[in-house]
Amino acid sequence: QSVLTQPPSASGTPGQRVTISCSGSSSNIGRYPVNWYQQLPGTAPKLLIYSHSQRPSGVPDRFSGSRSGTSASLAISGLQSEDEADYYCAAWDDSLNGPVFGGGTKLTVL
Amino acid sequence: QVQLVESGGGLVKPGGSLRLSCAASGFSFSGYYMTWIRQAPGKGLEWVSYITSSSSRVYYADSVKGRFTISRDNVKKSLYLQMSGLRTDDTAVYYCARYDYHTSGSPFDYWGQGSLVTVSS
Repeated sequence: QSVLTQPPSASGTPGQRVTISCSGSSSNIGRYPVNWYQQLPGTAPKLLIYSHSQRPSGVPDRFSGSRSGTSASLAISGLQSEDEADYYCAAWDDSLNGPVFGGGTKLTVL
Repeated sequence: QVQLVESGGGLVKPGGSLRLSCAASGFSFSGYYMTWIRQAPGKGLEWVSYITSSSSRVYYADSVKGRFTISRDNVKKSLYLQMSGLRTDDTAVYYCARYDYHTSGSPFDYWGQGSLVTVSS
């Protein structure tokens, strides 16, 4: 059972906008910045969003992040087939005194 | 460009030991925290351990505390994970990652390709 809760799956059609949620608590998302990682099939994870909403260079602006209270969201607009991947949220957690990940959301592009 | 290359994975019996290495290049290794993260087959990501830039402090997840030891050699630009008392639930791909602790969000901004550790009799 992950400290951060994500839906196990999400889906959308090309061009659509999809959102993936990440629910936490006051000891993690409610207090610390959230990062998002994308893991394409058979590859290592890659940083997608950091500090709630910042994109590393090279990440398309189709990807955006936000936080509200103890929850965070990743939004992908103009969905493309190459966006099919697993997505993980992460944040520091005071209770565990370390970084924690969500369980991951498998995004399928129909 | 930043590169992280893990090595040392393999098959080991329960109770055995293994040492993972991660060779870094393309950035000032001594200026960054580094971390190990693992992923069991078909499962999600789990943070394992991190080490500060000068090795002054190390931290571990409760699941590996007392069994794993993280270390680094800034001259060789290498990160290590000494694993002992291995259990079947330690079976995973182990990733080393750069831990940009001083950037807001402290992201793991670069990852290696991973090294598979299989613990089985």
